[in-house]
Amino acid sequence: GDSVTQTEGPVTVSESESLIINCTYSATSIAYPNLFWYVRYPGEGLQLLLKVITAGQKGSSRGFEATYNKETTSFHLQKASVQESDSAVYYCALGDLNTGGLSGKLTFGEGTQVTVIS
Amino acid sequence: GGIITQTPKFLIGQEGQKLTLKCQQNFNHDTMYWYRQDSGKGLRLIYYSITENDLQKGDLSEGYDASREKKSSFSLTVTSAQKNEMAVFLCASSISLLGRNTGQLYFGEGSKLTVL
Repeated sequence: GDSVTQTEGPVTVSESESLIINCTYSATSIAYPNLFWYVRYPGEGLQLLLKVITAGQKGSSRGFEATYNKETTSFHLQKASVQESDSAVYYCALGDLNTGGLSGKLTFGEGTQVTVIS
Repeated sequence: GGIITQTPKFLIGQEGQKLTLKCQQNFNHDTMYWYRQDSGKGLRLIYYSITENDLQKGDLSEGYDASREKKSSFSLTVTSAQKNEMAVFLCASSISLLGRNTGQLYFGEGSKLTVL
């Protein structure tokens, strides 16, 4: 089946330092996978951070970037300089929007807890 | 904006009991989902529904029933709670444009189940 593997948490990083959360995927049932990063801030529901639906493209949001690399089946999330407000749980996810029609169902990784300290 | 409301937020049950979780959304989204999250694990899809009265099984549907009687609501039933089971159930909805889902899911805050 399809699966997503991401950096095991918890991860602690100092404010203004860089952050990278690794994500690799296996898409055995999807011809053209689409990739997502979701985030859950403390006290809030899970929400979309960014998505990339085409291999080779980069998505960005709130200072985070992720590039969809089909060759290495990776979609790592990076930020050059984190802030305390970036403390959250980050989830990488895989979906099939091209042939999935209305379903939009996603396969999620286990999540990475990130704590930014001052 | 809209909101996804899950009830109850906390549910305590006994082994073998049938337990029901409810989810309401006011986004007017077509597709709704139930995911289960165990501690330290990712979200696993239980059921989803692409329209009123539609039901589709996810990877984890065994032991669960679902019902989508209205576009705005989606309920999930644990048919027989397992002793010492603990999990968070997340409801979500998403919008489709031009016959294709956007992949942007909007989640509720979750319902935490504890089985004694």
